[in-house]
Amino acid sequence: GQNIDQPTEMTATEGAIVQINCTYQTSGFNGLFWYQQHAGEAPTFLSYNVLDGLEEKGRFSSFLSRSKGYSYLLLKELQMKDSASYLCAVKATGANNLFFGTGTRLTVIP
Amino acid sequence: ETGVTQTPRHLVMGMTNKKSLKCEQHLGHNAMYWYKQSAKKPLELMFVYSLEERVENNSVPSRFSPECPNSSHLFLHLHTLQPEDSALYLCASSQANSPLHFGNGTRLTVT
Repeated sequence: GQNIDQPTEMTATEGAIVQINCTYQTSGFNGLFWYQQHAGEAPTFLSYNVLDGLEEKGRFSSFLSRSKGYSYLLLKELQMKDSASYLCAVKATGANNLFFGTGTRLTVIP
Repeated sequence: ETGVTQTPRHLVMGMTNKKSLKCEQHLGHNAMYWYKQSAKKPLELMFVYSLEERVENNSVPSRFSPECPNSSHLFLHLHTLQPEDSALYLCASSQANSPLHFGNGTRLTVT
């Protein structure tokens, strides 16, 4: 079966850095995605990793280690608008869909 | 505007009603998906259509019936639902291995 684990909730301070971890066990691996979802809105794509290493995109970075079944999303210079749920999703080999974690609800406080 | 539009945004229905959820994508994608999002649970894939053919039916009860008349439109027909079916229903589209693009969802409440 497929198993995606991430923390349920995190709190961080405006201007700080926060790291959201995701571990996975899937039958094959064909990429890992991070999505952001504000309450009542659609999940929106943040990043994609298929090879080991760090992908940087502005204030957001995502890291992948395939041998460890591990990824993290790093958010720098946190802003209040970054308060949202962050969803980790893995595409298994030959699969038509993504397997999602439960999401991490991040609250940014002043 | 996400490129994927879902209607209605909110729906309240009784267990004996029949209703339909609608999804339309303006991105030229060739695959469309229905996901169910319940509180404190992962997004659950329900159905996948690729080039208008259903390629995945993830053990969904028959009270949920999808329809994909063309590559831009996807429906989810609902009948005799149960209260535990109350959830956010998300439609998504994609092209090949590109990321999923989601709609804003329909918040369904079954009374």
